[in-house]
Amino acid sequence: AQTVTQSQPEMSVQEAETVTLSCTYDTSESDYYLFWYKQPPSRQMILVIRQEAYKQQNATENRFSVNFQKAAKSFSLKISDSQLGDAAMYFCAYRSAIGSEKLVFGKGTKLTVNP
Amino acid sequence: GAGVSQSPSNKVTEKGKDVELRCDPISGHTALYWYRQSLGQGLEFLIYFQGNSAPDKSGLPSDRFSAERTGGSVSTLTIQRTQQEDSAVYLCASSSGGTGWTDTQYFGPGTRLTVL
Repeated sequence: AQTVTQSQPEMSVQEAETVTLSCTYDTSESDYYLFWYKQPPSRQMILVIRQEAYKQQNATENRFSVNFQKAAKSFSLKISDSQLGDAAMYFCAYRSAIGSEKLVFGKGTKLTVNP
Repeated sequence: GAGVSQSPSNKVTEKGKDVELRCDPISGHTALYWYRQSLGQGLEFLIYFQGNSAPDKSGLPSDRFSAERTGGSVSTLTIQRTQQEDSAVYLCASSSGGTGWTDTQYFGPGTRLTVL
């Protein structure tokens, strides 16, 4: 079974600075999808960014980018120019490319943005 | 509405009672998922519906949990004889049911269940 590990329960960053959230995963599959979701206090999970395993190029969405290292099974999220609205829980998630459509989540990282 | 909606937003019940949680997916989405978010276990998959196919129930923790999806739209998650360990936030998500990585799961705001 696949597992996702987020080793940083909490992180903090100063407004306008850059922060990187870590995620590692374990799988025997060669093709899969990886996601970062944001969950603000409203509880609504919002997709931040996604990456397909066979794509070498790291995904970027505005101030959010990932560092995908397939051999190391690492998928970190970099938030540039942090804003107060970025404060939330961030979850890394894995989805198999074959069969089950379910998401396997890490335990999450609580990000605090200090003004 | 445009997004996934869930009701009730909060539910407090007594141990041993049955509860029903409702999910309205995004219109036209054929795939629907239930997840449970608890302090001890994080986010866990419960069940997945895709069109008219048999649901994937592999994540249901016990036979006290069941779910149905009527008419390919609204879904109800039922927990019978609730226990205190059932206290959690129950999240519903839907997706277009297509293949590939662009098939994003969109989540509702969840139902917070508290079992006294």
